[in-house]
Amino acid sequence: DAGVIQSPRHEVTEMGQEVTLRCKPISGHDYLFWYRQTMMRGLELLIYFNNNVPIDDSGMPEDRFSAKMPNASFSTLKIQPSEPRDSAVYFCASSPSAGAGELFFGEGSRLTVL
Amino acid sequence: AQTVTQSQPEMSVQEAETVTLSCTYDTSESDYYLFWYKQPPSRQMILVIRQEAYKQQNATENRFSVNFQKAAKSFSLKISDSQLGDAAMYFCAYRRKKAGGTSYGKLTFGQGTILTVHP
Repeated sequence: DAGVIQSPRHEVTEMGQEVTLRCKPISGHDYLFWYRQTMMRGLELLIYFNNNVPIDDSGMPEDRFSAKMPNASFSTLKIQPSEPRDSAVYFCASSPSAGAGELFFGEGSRLTVL
Repeated sequence: AQTVTQSQPEMSVQEAETVTLSCTYDTSESDYYLFWYKQPPSRQMILVIRQEAYKQQNATENRFSVNFQKAAKSFSLKISDSQLGDAAMYFCAYRRKKAGGTSYGKLTFGQGTILTVHP
């Protein structure tokens, strides 16, 4: 299995631009998570899906952030418009049923907003 | 709400020595998972070890072992015979097992502990 695949690995953009981060979970996994990591706030859960349905989006910072999971093999996290404080590493992770244990993480997308 | 606390922002150890990283958590659940993840400078999140709450026996993976104290809600990681490759940020994490509610399936992380290994 290829593992969780995220793209892009690095993104540099200017304030005000739209940013789209992409994730392909491991085939057969029912759960998909988006985390954000910064020095100041550590690892924050933004949103997670179960069977393509958003379960908890209380971690999404504000309306500028949106996430979708149109099918079991693809998810996007969009920031529009982007701001410098959105600069962070964004991780996607997937897991089988919650009772199955750990999450499997992608390599992360490092976003820099100038 | 579940919380996970790592009280040691940084730790250091000499190569070949043993180090213990601390973690406490708060939950009202009786059955759950606890994990230690390692994040080296490459930033990849790597599972080190996992523990199921209903299992009395402490989990062990080669040089890594845990001391799980359920009543005290404590879950420490012991690294024996430390190697230079163990240098990383270590995260303790909690995941509820019981179905139902908005927190079902959610993985909650501690703040992390940076481990430095001296040659």
